[in-house]
Amino acid sequence: KNEVEQSPQNLTAQEGEFITINCSYSVGISALHWLQQHPGGGIVSLFMLSSGKKKHGRLIATINIQEKHSSLHITASHPRDSAVYICAGMDSNYQLIWGAGTKLIIKP
Amino acid sequence: KAGVTQTPRYLIKTRGQQVTLSCSPISGHRSVSWYQQTPGQGLQFLFEYFSETQRNKGNFPGRFSGRQFSNSRSEMNVSTLELGDSALYLCASSLGGLAGTDTQYFGPGTRLTVL
Repeated sequence: KNEVEQSPQNLTAQEGEFITINCSYSVGISALHWLQQHPGGGIVSLFMLSSGKKKHGRLIATINIQEKHSSLHITASHPRDSAVYICAGMDSNYQLIWGAGTKLIIKP
Repeated sequence: KAGVTQTPRYLIKTRGQQVTLSCSPISGHRSVSWYQQTPGQGLQFLFEYFSETQRNKGNFPGRFSGRQFSNSRSEMNVSTLELGDSALYLCASSLGGLAGTDTQYFGPGTRLTVL
């Protein structure tokens, strides 16, 4: 069983829709990353969270350490948001544990 | 500021050979982490270097090694290449917090193909 689980694995939506990607983890972590990977391999670090909520443009990330859950939201989604979104948590050994990723496709 | 750079971008090797990949972090960043990404396994943490010292290590065999220089540039070496080593190798730099405590900035990756 993966210690960091993302849902859904695949998500297809229409342009303009509000998107939510969830990440839950079974181990104690002190920080969680959300990353975006576009086709071709380029990875962009979106957020690093240890509590609360962060917002950058149309992207919002929240985390609840007690409930071991984080969400990434995209408002007014656009085809250029199509990518794989990955969450990764840092465990007690200071190693990152990666989720399998959520493949998001936004159709125009 | 220039981003994280990795060289080479593409590499083709044969089984049994060795390979060295290079990563130049963002100026001022002292931590460099290496990751392997394969379709089947996703992103796997290899190791992290900080101030020329390996600070953290993932579960990879000893054929995978690395080092960091005084200017924070890092190299990763894979000896006795196997077909299963074909992957995208990514490095990420951060200011200095342990991998996961700072925002990490990723390079474009080196795509290694082992024939």
